[in-house]
Amino acid sequence: SAVISQKPSRDICQRGTSLTIQCQVDSQVTMMFWYRQQPGQSLTLIATANQGSEATYESGFVIDKFPISRPNLTFSTLTVSNMSPEDSSIYLCSVLASSYNEQFFGPGTRLTVL
Amino acid sequence: GEDVEQSLFLSVREGDSSVINCTYTDSSSTYLYWYKQEPGAGLQLLTYIFSNMDMKQDQRLTVLLNKKDKHLSLRIADTQTGDSAIYFCAGTYNQGGKLIFGQGTELSVKP
Repeated sequence: SAVISQKPSRDICQRGTSLTIQCQVDSQVTMMFWYRQQPGQSLTLIATANQGSEATYESGFVIDKFPISRPNLTFSTLTVSNMSPEDSSIYLCSVLASSYNEQFFGPGTRLTVL
Repeated sequence: GEDVEQSLFLSVREGDSSVINCTYTDSSSTYLYWYKQEPGAGLQLLTYIFSNMDMKQDQRLTVLLNKKDKHLSLRIADTQTGDSAIYFCAGTYNQGGKLIFGQGTELSVKP
């Protein structure tokens, strides 16, 4: 299985600021994703992070609010921009292990916006 | 669009079997997954099943898939207190890898 780390593990931020979350995988993977889990809720896909090109966003999520970078096959960042309390969530990155269709998740970043 | 539904709570006694159910709407699903989330933790992949299979067993876990009824279940044999967590079913419906998650079932195991 892939080992995924995220930084920071948690943060408390002021409204109007931005936070960049990093996701590092211990092996090269084709596909990386960013999910959001709002308090007490299930997970919703924000976007697919594409290596070398713009991310593919799901309905309801836009690049200006959630810019994503993926400079190589082991690393991606998600920025939560101009934050409001409604952005308080757990943000998780995931990767698809190409050989067995197994999708693994990072430990998540717990964000609280005051 | 795709929809995945689960019951929200399940309570069992230690040593009993737990059965967590999931229904989905999109019959073109390819892979169906079960994840476990403990408090304050990320998601742990427990098992998954390909849509052309009816059953998959992995130690204490048994996954049953009824494609006709679009019903997926996870059976945990000899449930332990350490199995207390939220269990999510999820399906992927295309080669893009996007997962659609159910709401999660909170399993409470009482000693």
